[in-house]
Amino acid sequence: DIQMTQSPSTLSASVGDRVTITCRASQRISTWLAWYQHKPGTAPKLLIYRASRLESGVPSRFSGSGSGTEFTLTISSLQPDDFATYYCQQYDRYASFGPGTKLEIK
Amino acid sequence: QVQLVQSGSEVQRPGASVKVSCKASGYTFSSHAINWVRQAPGQGLEWMGWISVFNGNTIYAQKFQGRVTLTTDTSTNTAYMDLRSLKSDDTAMYYCARDRDSSGYHFDNWGQGTLVTVSS
Repeated sequence: DIQMTQSPSTLSASVGDRVTITCRASQRISTWLAWYQHKPGTAPKLLIYRASRLESGVPSRFSGSGSGTEFTLTISSLQPDDFATYYCQQYDRYASFGPGTKLEIK
Repeated sequence: QVQLVQSGSEVQRPGASVKVSCKASGYTFSSHAINWVRQAPGQGLEWMGWISVFNGNTIYAQKFQGRVTLTTDTSTNTAYMDLRSLKSDDTAMYYCARDRDSSGYHFDNWGQGTLVTVSS
């Protein structure tokens, strides 16, 4: 199985900040990586697929990069709606998720 | 617009089974596989399995092999997840989620979730 890790587990930031979340895979997954935003009481929302492709309708302040085993999600200027938990997910071999990064208001 | 609408909350005893449904609309049902993902209280997301609506092929996460069955009914555009021999740690929110594209196993549309509580 491919194990995914994320750092940090919790991130405190302010509106307008630029934030970066890191995701690592236990083996090389090329660019078969997605990022999701998840808020309590709602379904997860796909933000990024193929490591860097922005899903339709997702604001351009979200961006993804990386390949192989190390990936990042960047939010260029935090908005109030962005405070949520973010998960990376590999789909090189079936699917597995990282443990999540909770983005909190500072 | 694409919608996945799941059945309502369930309370089951340990050892029982639960069957959750996921009704799709707004797209050609057979053109996208359906996955099931769960989230236990305070935990992260966990992928359970995948079913091709086109031909019924299934792939299950090793953890759930032998205990879960995924099916679809193309006459009603509905997918089903059947989980047997329930334990207390199966208490979770269960989601169906559509494959975004033929690459598979990444999800562009999700159901609203079904809470399954396992308790004696």
